[in-house]
Amino acid sequence: AQTVTQSQPEMSVQEAETVTLSCTYDTSENNYYLFWYKQPPSRQMILVIRQEAYKQQNATENRFSVNFQKAAKSFSLKISDSQLGDTAMYFCAFMKHSNSVPNAGKSTFGDGTTLTVKP
Amino acid sequence: GAVVSQHPSRVICKSGTSVKIECRSLDFQATTMFWYRQFPKKSLMLMATSNEGSKATYEQGVEKDKFLINHASLTLSTLTVTSAHPEDSSFYICSASSAGAYEQYFGPGTRLTVT
Repeated sequence: AQTVTQSQPEMSVQEAETVTLSCTYDTSENNYYLFWYKQPPSRQMILVIRQEAYKQQNATENRFSVNFQKAAKSFSLKISDSQLGDTAMYFCAFMKHSNSVPNAGKSTFGDGTTLTVKP
Repeated sequence: GAVVSQHPSRVICKSGTSVKIECRSLDFQATTMFWYRQFPKKSLMLMATSNEGSKATYEQGVEKDKFLINHASLTLSTLTVTSAHPEDSSFYICSASSAGAYEQYFGPGTRLTVT
């Protein structure tokens, strides 16, 4: 079974500054995906960034980037130029690759990090 | 990206009654749908996995007779909370995926309040 650990329950950052959220995971799988989701006060889950385990290059999406260390099983999220709209709960998630129907897309989530961006 | 809808977004029901929540994939065929429960400031707790045309697989500790899940088509799954009690009040989220997909798509959630 996979586990995902987010060791920072709460974090805060000043607007325009950079913040890094940490995530570690444990798995014996070799082919998998890692995700960061944002859940704002509306509670709609929004995909922030996705990383395929077989890719060595770290994924980036505008102000969001990850530091993926496969050997260390670490997957941190860096938010640059933080904006007030980044205030949300952030979840790290693991998904095993599967081509079969049962459990396709089944993910394991961390406990989340509540990020507050201060003006 | 793919769109998943949930209906209703909010529902209030009396204790002892049943309530049905619908989850629809609007622009793709979802071979697998997941139902989560989320308490305030907490993570998503997977309740069950449903595959189209077969019985749902429930996580340990989830009462299958209380939380009835039906996935009758590739675009619709329903969660029925039977004989609801105040402790069933929560935020319920569905997500959908398909074989070979590398992500799941989330619905906007349903806030259930049992009085």
